[in-house]
Amino acid sequence: AQSVTQLDSQVPVFEEAPVELRCNYSSSVSVYLFWYVQYPNQGLQLLLKYLSGSTLVKGINGFEAEFNKSQTSFHLRKPSVHISDTAEYFCAVSEGMNRDDKIIFGKGTRLHILP
Amino acid sequence: EAQVTQNPRYLITVTGKKLTVTCSQNMNHEYMSWYRQDPGLGLRQIYYSMNVEVTDKGDVPEGYKVSRKEKRNFPLILESPSPNQTSLYFCASSLYGLESEQYFGPGTRLTVT
Repeated sequence: AQSVTQLDSQVPVFEEAPVELRCNYSSSVSVYLFWYVQYPNQGLQLLLKYLSGSTLVKGINGFEAEFNKSQTSFHLRKPSVHISDTAEYFCAVSEGMNRDDKIIFGKGTRLHILP
Repeated sequence: EAQVTQNPRYLITVTGKKLTVTCSQNMNHEYMSWYRQDPGLGLRQIYYSMNVEVTDKGDVPEGYKVSRKEKRNFPLILESPSPNQTSLYFCASSLYGLESEQYFGPGTRLTVT
């Protein structure tokens, strides 16, 4: 069965500094991978997704993630964060290639931007 | 405006009193799904539906029912709510399964006393 581990529950970072949010997954088959963002008191919004092809995926708001099959990781990065990036970020995995549209989310990482 | 709507947005109820949370989307999406969000646990999928009359269990289906009689609606039913179902619930939809982007509703905060 698939699972997702977000290694950091909270990440503080100074404004304009780079950030990496870590995500590892486990699955016995090929997977789809996602990063979602949740701003305070809102629903979730898709940042980016990996289905197949290039392992470097670019998303909205300047975020990107790299799929590493050998390390079963899908870390999210941004070269320079802004105060508006303050939010909770969720990594998720699905075994959708097998037509199983069940999705498993990680427990989330809160990104705190320090002035 | 393309959107996913949920009703009610807030609900306080008592143990054992049946309730339904409605979810509707106006984007002609095939895939719809329900999630619950609890502090420290992230989102957990309750049920999902690939199309009309097709529903499947997610990670935490116990205590919940769903139906998909029309493409646009996907109600979540709690036949006998219990306090451990106190949570924030999100409905989401996407065009074709998880290959396409999921759009989330605004959430329903449910408290069961």
